[in-house]
Amino acid sequence: SQTIHQWPATLVQPVGSPLSLECTVEGTSNPNLYWYRQAAGRGLQLLFYSVGIGQISSEVPQNLSASRPQDRQFILSSKKLLLSDSGFYLCAWSTLGANVLTFGAGSRLTVL
Amino acid sequence: GQQVMQIPQYQHVQEGEDFTTYCNSSTTLSNIQWYKQRPGGHPVFLIQLVKSGEVKKQKRLTFQFGEAKKNSSLHITATQTTDVGTYFCPIIQGAQKLVFGQGTRLTINP
Repeated sequence: SQTIHQWPATLVQPVGSPLSLECTVEGTSNPNLYWYRQAAGRGLQLLFYSVGIGQISSEVPQNLSASRPQDRQFILSSKKLLLSDSGFYLCAWSTLGANVLTFGAGSRLTVL
Repeated sequence: GQQVMQIPQYQHVQEGEDFTTYCNSSTTLSNIQWYKQRPGGHPVFLIQLVKSGEVKKQKRLTFQFGEAKKNSSLHITATQTTDVGTYFCPIIQGAQKLVFGQGTRLTINP
């Protein structure tokens, strides 16, 4: 069966520090991969999605970037965090053509 | 791109009361999905509706897709405390993007 792992689960970072969140999917090949962000009490904002290795679509211009170095690995990064980057980051995957998302447990980021 | 409005944004009910949330689009949708996010958790897929006028049931949950495929509803009969959470009805934009709105947050007084 397919599983999705996301880490770290929680982190507190100072403003201006770098960020790296990692997501991996097991049990499937060539998944579509997604990064969403959810501010406290708000909806989900699509940040990036990828349909293949090295293929990244950015939805929101900001100081975040994403990379897909391997088929089932999706990384969210920042060189310098802002206070506004605080939130709940969710990785998700779907199979090509299905569009049904399976989410990871999320990474809760607090920038101080 | 296509957008959906979900109403209400918040709903508080007494346990045992019914609950309904609605999603409305200005354009025809190819399909619509529903997800539930428990407090502190991640969204979990509930169902996908594809056909005009489609009605699907999952125990106390009834999902409906409008005849014109521009709106959808989720109705919960006799709410229980386990129904607490935020319900989303994302739509597909383009081939691969699933766009979520604000959702409806349901709280229940036991």
